Amino acid sequence: ETGVTQSPTHLIKTRGQQVTLRCSSQSGHNTVSWYQQALGQGPQFIFQYYREEENGRGNFPPRFSGLQFPNYSSELNVNALELDDSALYLCAFRTGGTDTQYFGPGTRLTVL
Amino acid sequence: EDKVVQSPLSLVVHEGDTVTLNCSYEVTNFRSLLWYKQEKKAPTFLFMLTSSGIEKKSGRLSSILDKKELSSILNITATQTGDSAIYLCAFNTNAGKSTFGDGTTLTVKP
Repeated sequence: ETGVTQSPTHLIKTRGQQVTLRCSSQSGHNTVSWYQQALGQGPQFIFQYYREEENGRGNFPPRFSGLQFPNYSSELNVNALELDDSALYLCAFRTGGTDTQYFGPGTRLTVL
Repeated sequence: EDKVVQSPLSLVVHEGDTVTLNCSYEVTNFRSLLWYKQEKKAPTFLFMLTSSGIEKKSGRLSSILDKKELSSILNITATQTGDSAIYLCAFNTNAGKSTFGDGTTLTVKP
């Protein structure tokens, strides 16, 4: 057990809708990253937050946005959902300056 | 663009076999290479490698990094059915970004 939780576990949306995914950690790690994992592929880096600010971003459009809260928990928001957004969304925590990440179980998003 | 390539894409072996999984990378500002095991959803951490030629070992699993060849291998000896999973390799840059490969799917048959 990594102590990282994500909600919801599964979600079904339709094209054009908006979604918010949540992630929290019991361990007090202060850096959180979000990843998109399509079937048969490795996790793709979306962005990273440290001290409530985004400090790294992958090749994802602005309709993917996030927040980090003072207790280090985080949200991923996706607007104007597209079919290709269907994937497993993983969050991972680490302590700033270290590289080992602790992943949550993911949210499976299906866009119809 | 930073890139990680893992091989083979999939592998089927029998219990007791030894397997070697490969990871090669092209990256600027390399800081570390990590191996993860993904069984159902959450990848779980196996090893972190930063220095060439130093083997990390945990039970039947071991891994080593070759910075000159820009590659790493993960060895699993005396495989068990519980080793069946996707094995992911990822590197971190000095900017803190992680890039993952697409993984090797290992199936261990009884």
